[in-house]
Amino acid sequence: DTAVSQTPKYLVTQMGNDKSIKCEQNLGHDTMYWYKQDSKKFLKIMFSYNNKELIINETVPNRFSPKSPDKAHLNLHINSLELGDSAVYFCASSRGGSDYGYTFGSGTRLTVV
Amino acid sequence: AQSVTQPDIHITVSEGASLELRCNYSYGATPYLFWYVQSPGQGLQLLLKYFSGDTLVQGIKGFEAEFKRSQSSFNLRKPSVHWSDAAEYFCAVGGGDYKLSFGAGTTVTVRA
Repeated sequence: DTAVSQTPKYLVTQMGNDKSIKCEQNLGHDTMYWYKQDSKKFLKIMFSYNNKELIINETVPNRFSPKSPDKAHLNLHINSLELGDSAVYFCASSRGGSDYGYTFGSGTRLTVV
Repeated sequence: AQSVTQPDIHITVSEGASLELRCNYSYGATPYLFWYVQSPGQGLQLLLKYFSGDTLVQGIKGFEAEFKRSQSSFNLRKPSVHWSDAAEYFCAVGGGDYKLSFGAGTTVTVRA
């Protein structure tokens, strides 16, 4: 069983479209995250939810909206996609805070054309 | 604010040779430190972590790291590299809250 699973693995879409990425974890963790990895491999945190409550909301355009229906799921919806949104998006989870480290999903490579 | 610097962007090492990847962190209190590895097209896998206690930490795949508070460093080492160790390596620092800050990564190439 995959601990943190993301779908889809690849997403190619046109500018202006709206798309969603889904994430599920079966580890029983309380906290989930979205990170963006750019073309230079730099990882930047976007959002974090703890028990369905938003606890980290970095400087991210309003076009990005996370949703956590329960503590095992964290989805990312992106409106009006732009070329600059092309990146790899990683979902991660942790037990409590960051002190135990994260378990990452395998990533979603988003390409906006 | 917490931050991590990985001074080496790219390291090439021969198979069987030793490897050391550098990591310097900035954090006001006792940090939580991590090393992750990312193989091409994959997610990040935790290699090892340091919270407290023994400053030499053993991890998976034969890796170890040493925490040096005086130098604000947490360098990763492996005595003998295998071709499968070719990957991107990330150092990360956390403060026990919810946020991990990652370095820019070091790409390791292994030559036969």
